[in-house]
Amino acid sequence: AQSVTQPDIHITVSEGASLELRCNYSYGATPYLFWYVQSPGQGLQLLLKYFSGDTLVQGIKGFEAEFKRSQSSFNLRKPSVHWSDAAEYFCAVVRGSNYQLIWGAGTKLIIKP
Amino acid sequence: KAGVTQTPRYLIKTRGQQVTLSCSPISGHRSVSWYQQTPGQGLQFLFEYFSETQRNKGNFPGRFSGRQFSNSRSEMNVSTLELGDSALYLCASSLGQGSTGELFFGEGSRLTVL
Repeated sequence: AQSVTQPDIHITVSEGASLELRCNYSYGATPYLFWYVQSPGQGLQLLLKYFSGDTLVQGIKGFEAEFKRSQSSFNLRKPSVHWSDAAEYFCAVVRGSNYQLIWGAGTKLIIKP
Repeated sequence: KAGVTQTPRYLIKTRGQQVTLSCSPISGHRSVSWYQQTPGQGLQFLFEYFSETQRNKGNFPGRFSGRQFSNSRSEMNVSTLELGDSALYLCASSLGQGSTGELFFGEGSRLTVL
C-alpha cells in the first residue's frame, strides 16, 4: 500500500541555520508529491509540489525540495530559517486516478532564538 | 479572492449531541474535502464531494456524514458525539475532483466534546 513517512516528529534548529525535513514515500509509479505547512491555529498551506520535470522544485517562503527517485525521497530544505517558519510541515503524495492525498504524520519545526 | 471559510471556528458539545460544520469553498472551486486532525492520529481523510456527489470516503463510522450544495458549499455532520471526536476539522477546496492534490484549506473548526 502507498504510504508517506516523515521520520522526524520534531526538529529544533537555530534561527538562521539551514533546515532539511525528510520525507519518504512508497508508491509504484511516479508520484505527485507535495509539502504543506500548518502554522499554529491555522489551516494548511501548499508550500510546493512536484509533478514531473526538474527534480529540484522551488516553493513559497524560500523553501525548495528535491525529488530523488532512487531514494524514494522528497526532502524539504531552506538555507536559513526564520522564527516565523516555526510550524508543522506535512509531506503528501497523490494516490491513484482519483487523486486522493496520502499524508505523512507531520514534522513539527521548533526555532531556537 | 476570498479563501475557504469554515464556521463555526470553535464549539463545545457534550457526548451524545450532534454537530454540523459548514464550509464555503473558494469561488469557482467545485470540490470540497474534509479532514479530521488530532494530535494522536494526525490528518485523517473523511470524505470528498464534487458537484454535490460524494466521490471518496475515508474510514470513519456512519456517524460522520456530509453533503454538498449546488453552490459548492458543504456541511459535515457528526451524530451521537463521543469524546474521541474532539478534533480540528479541516475543510479544503480545489478546482476539480482531486485537482492533482492542490488543496486550499480553511482555518478549521475546533470541536471539543465533554
